[in-house]
Amino acid sequence: DAGVIQSPRHEVTEMGQEVTLRCKPISGHNSLFWYRQTMMRGLELLIYFNNNVPIDDSGMPEDRFSAKMPNASFSTLKIQPSEPRDSAVYFCASTIDTGYEQYFGPGTRLTVT
Amino acid sequence: GEDVEQSLFLSVREGDSSVINCTYTDSSSTYLYWYKQEPGAGLQLLTYIFSNMDMKQDQRLTVLLNKKDKHLSLRIADTQTGDSAIYFCADDSGAGSYQLTFGKGTKLSVIP
Repeated sequence: DAGVIQSPRHEVTEMGQEVTLRCKPISGHNSLFWYRQTMMRGLELLIYFNNNVPIDDSGMPEDRFSAKMPNASFSTLKIQPSEPRDSAVYFCASTIDTGYEQYFGPGTRLTVT
Repeated sequence: GEDVEQSLFLSVREGDSSVINCTYTDSSSTYLYWYKQEPGAGLQLLTYIFSNMDMKQDQRLTVLLNKKDKHLSLRIADTQTGDSAIYFCADDSGAGSYQLTFGKGTKLSVIP
């Protein structure tokens, strides 16, 4: 079984550019999470979708961040414009309503110069 | 809001036992979790414990939960070099919640 798929695995961009991170959850899972991991702040939940609907986006840092889930098999996290402080590893995770385990993707390492 | 605290580093010798500690503040947690992150990879669920239990054993892993003190620990017996990783404690926000609060992780280094 394919796990959670994220792309790209690494992204280097210049400040001010738009960045789009992509996630494909495990088939059959209906909850999707975007996390950001930094040394200083650890793992932070950015946004949580259930059945493609955003349920809690209180962790989204600011208006520069947006996330969409147009269907059950795809989600994007967009940063526009990007800033150096956005540099982090971004993880996507999925689970099913009745499950307790969140399955994490391998992450996207974002570097903004 | 809820908070989960862990020590950041632990170093043990191969073959010894490792004990990673965690404290949390959310009294409504239903499950508490230990996740493992190897270098360059995402987090992977290692084990979990229901909040009404005080101990769970799974092969080399023992989880102890002191709900009164809101203290969770993970003991790894006969620690191997392959156990070197970052270990995250996490709790949920109560029944029906799949939103987890993670600690900052404890980096376990195993000395051969």
